[in-house]
Amino acid sequence: SQTIHQWPATLVQPVGSPLSLECTVEGTSNPNLYWYRQAAGRGLQLLFYSVGIGQISSEVPQNLSASRPQDRQFILSSKKLLLSDSGFYLCAWSRVGSGGFNEQFFGPGTRLTVL
Amino acid sequence: RKEVEQDPGPFNVPEGATVAFNCTYSNSASQSFFWYRQDCRKEPKLLMSVYSSGNEDGRFTAQLNRASQYISLLIRDSKLSDSATYLCVVNNGNQGGKLIFGQGTELSVKP
Repeated sequence: SQTIHQWPATLVQPVGSPLSLECTVEGTSNPNLYWYRQAAGRGLQLLFYSVGIGQISSEVPQNLSASRPQDRQFILSSKKLLLSDSGFYLCAWSRVGSGGFNEQFFGPGTRLTVL
Repeated sequence: RKEVEQDPGPFNVPEGATVAFNCTYSNSASQSFFWYRQDCRKEPKLLMSVYSSGNEDGRFTAQLNRASQYISLLIRDSKLSDSATYLCVVNNGNQGGKLIFGQGTELSVKP
């Protein structure tokens, strides 16, 4: 079966500090991978998605970046955090193909507080 | 107009009640549809995929009306454990399999 891991679970960082969040998927190969952010009391906002190693698409302009150095590894980074970067960061994966019927499965998330 | 719109909620219902969530989507080319459940401070979890003919899973029934671009979720005999936020989700079949999430409808089931 497939599992998705994210770490850390919670993080408190000062404004201006760097960020690195990691996501890994087990039990599948060549998945589509996604990073979302959910601000407190808000809906999910897609930040980045990747259809393969080294392939990153950005959905919204921001001071975050993503990388996919390995097939089942997705990393979210920032060089300098802003207060507005606080939120619940979720990584998700889906199978490639099957037309549009690609349910996404989410990791447990990282709760980031920028002070 | 938002791409996916849901009842604003919250819904407060007694145990055993039947509750219905409604959702509309704006893109007539949308190909697939889902309901996710999100508990407080947790990740969303897939509850049901929604098929054209409608589908049922125990106490949960999902319906799709492509002509009206409308999706529904019915929960019968609601339990305390059904309390959560229910997210209507649409995949437009675009590159990368991106999903569009509604804002969610909060359900609180009371004893």
